[in-house]
Amino acid sequence: AQTVTQSQPEMSVQEAETVTLSCTYDTSESDYYLFWYKQPPSRQMILVIRQEAYKQQNATENRFSVNFQKAAKSFSLKISDSQLGDAAMYFCAYSTTQGGSEKLVFGKGTKLTVNP
Amino acid sequence: EPEVTQTPSHQVTQMGQEVILRCVPISNHLYFYWYRQILGQKVEFLVSFYNNEISEKSEIFDDQFSVERPDGSNFTLKIRSTKLEDSAMYFCASSAWGQGNSPLHFGNGTRLTVT
Repeated sequence: AQTVTQSQPEMSVQEAETVTLSCTYDTSESDYYLFWYKQPPSRQMILVIRQEAYKQQNATENRFSVNFQKAAKSFSLKISDSQLGDAAMYFCAYSTTQGGSEKLVFGKGTKLTVNP
Repeated sequence: EPEVTQTPSHQVTQMGQEVILRCVPISNHLYFYWYRQILGQKVEFLVSFYNNEISEKSEIFDDQFSVERPDGSNFTLKIRSTKLEDSAMYFCASSAWGQGNSPLHFGNGTRLTVT
C-alpha cells in the first residue's frame, strides 16, 4: 500500500521569505500523481499544485513550485515570497494511475505559519 | 468557478442516530468521493462512486455507511447508527475524469459531532 510521510508537523516563515515543505512517499508503481493541497482555517481543501510522475519537469504555479525527485520518492513544495494568506495546513497526497483506484492518499500535514 | 457544495456545515447528532450528509458535486463531473478528517489528523478516503455504483471503498467504510446519488445532482453519505468515533469533518469531492487525471474539487466540509 502507498504511504505518504510529511516529517514536519509545523513550519514557520517570515513574510516575503521562502519556505520548503517536505514530503516523501512509498510506492512500487512507476506512474502516479502527486499533489499538494492547502487547508486554511476555513477547512476547505484547495489544490495548490499537481505533478505527474512520468514528467521530469517540476511543476510550477506562480509562487509555488515543487522539487520532484522520483528516485528518492521525494516531493517537496517551495513557497516563494510568502504571504500572510499562505498560512494554512498543507497536505501532500498521492494518487495511483492504475485502473479502478482513484483515491488520494494523504500525509498528516504541515502547519505553516507566516509571520509578519 | 463551479463549486462543490455541502450541507449542512455542522451537524450534531446523538449516538445511535442516523445522519445524512449532502453534497452537490460540480455538474459535469463524473466521479464522486467522500473523505473524512478526524480533528487534528490526516484526511482519509472513504469511498469513490462512478456510474451509479461504488468503485472503491476503504476499510473505514463498513456496513453502517452508504452512499447514494438519488436524483442526478445530489450525492449523499448516510451513517446508519452513529458512534462517537464518527465525529469528524466529512468532505465531498468530485472530479471530471478520475484516476488522478483531473484534480479533485473539494467542498467546504460538514462537521459531524456525535454526542
